[in-house]
Amino acid sequence: QVRLVESGGGVVQPGRSLRLSCAASGFTFNIYGMHWVRQAPGKGLEWVSLISYDGLNKYYGDSVRGRFTISRDNSKNTVYLQMSSLKPEDTAIYFCAKTRSGSYRAPFDPWGQGTLVTVSS
Amino acid sequence: DIQMTQSPSTLSASVGDRVTITCRASQSINNYLAWYQHKPGRAPKLLIYEASSLESGVPSRFSGSGSGTEFTLIISSLQPDDFATYYCQHYNTLYSFGQGTKLEIK
Repeated sequence: QVRLVESGGGVVQPGRSLRLSCAASGFTFNIYGMHWVRQAPGKGLEWVSLISYDGLNKYYGDSVRGRFTISRDNSKNTVYLQMSSLKPEDTAIYFCAKTRSGSYRAPFDPWGQGTLVTVSS
Repeated sequence: DIQMTQSPSTLSASVGDRVTITCRASQSINNYLAWYQHKPGRAPKLLIYEASSLESGVPSRFSGSGSGTEFTLIISSLQPDDFATYYCQHYNTLYSFGQGTKLEIK
């Protein structure tokens, strides 16, 4: 059974940093790209970042590019999101998701339950 | 960037109703279109991919259609478990989601 479990969320002050983790199990982790998606309170889903299966290619949404860094450790079946220079508008539930196939042109399936990040002084 | 526009934003319906949600892309997305169901506190769930392919395990009352820039999600006969928020998403060049359609009980 494929499972994704996010962790690392919490309350952080504006301008500070936070690292999220997503532990994967139930599938061959090192052949799939992995995404981060977020949902701000009362808002819809926003794609944040993608990392390729081997970690060599990384892509970011406009609102986080230059502040967030995605990475992965295939020996630990874990993907990370390092968030820096956090702003109140980064407050959201952060989900990780697996690419449904080995291609970048693939939907997201499955998703984790999410971890809440609150940026507030 | 490709923008995705869903309508309506909110939809009130009853069990047994047929409902249609529309999604429009700002440019052609070559049928790289998915639909997700999301309930509060839960992981979003993939329903439809490549505009019209039903994900394994998803009930057949869900269907998708469309091509190019216009797409629809149809639920043929609403069940109590279907009241949720639905999102379309393109995955043609990078990714973006529609703003969501909240399906409420009438």
